[in-house]
Amino acid sequence: QKEVEQNSGPLSVPEGAIASLNCTYSDRGSQSFFWYRQYSGKSPELIMFIYSNGDKEDGRFTAQLNKASQYVSLLIRDSQPSDSATYLCAVIALSGGYQKVTFGIGTKLQVIP
Amino acid sequence: NAGVMQNPRHLVRRRGQEARLRCSPMKGHSHVYWYRQLPEEGLKFMVYLQKENIIDESGMPKERFSAEFPKEGPSILRIQQVVRGDSAAYFCASSPRGQINQPQHFGDGTRLSIL
Repeated sequence: QKEVEQNSGPLSVPEGAIASLNCTYSDRGSQSFFWYRQYSGKSPELIMFIYSNGDKEDGRFTAQLNKASQYVSLLIRDSQPSDSATYLCAVIALSGGYQKVTFGIGTKLQVIP
Repeated sequence: NAGVMQNPRHLVRRRGQEARLRCSPMKGHSHVYWYRQLPEEGLKFMVYLQKENIIDESGMPKERFSAEFPKEGPSILRIQQVVRGDSAAYFCASSPRGQINQPQHFGDGTRLSIL
């Protein structure tokens, strides 16, 4: 069983629409959740993080966390072609006294002009 | 540039040679993580190090691969007797502390090609 699951996509949305990216995790002890964006051939870039249940907004991005359902999502409003990238979900839990990070496979987003 | 520095950006080796990848963490960061990424695949955790200590190497292949983070100098990922299957992008990330709310920041990666 994968520890962090994401649909690999591609997820295609028209320009201006809302893109919804989802991530589920198996470790109930997970405490921190991060979203990274990775353009093709580039390194992952941190765009959002969330620790508490509920929503967190930053510009066009909203992260949503539901620990009871073990589910974290990223919403991108007013999607732009420049948002086309792979979005990686990262989940952090303490394991053996240190931070253990697990990445999902990533969801490829295509924003169609 | 105060970010995570990796070098070289591209490395070409012939089968059987050794590859050394270097990573200097962000200033003030003492935790280093190495990942491998194959084309069209996700990031695969390899090893987590602090200065002079390997904390978690559960993702490292048992043979040919080793990592270190000495008291002075960059972290080194070493691959001995490389094979074609080692061709990948290798990313290094750092964080200031191994605490639950500290995100990792990534370097630009080293693209390793095996001829």
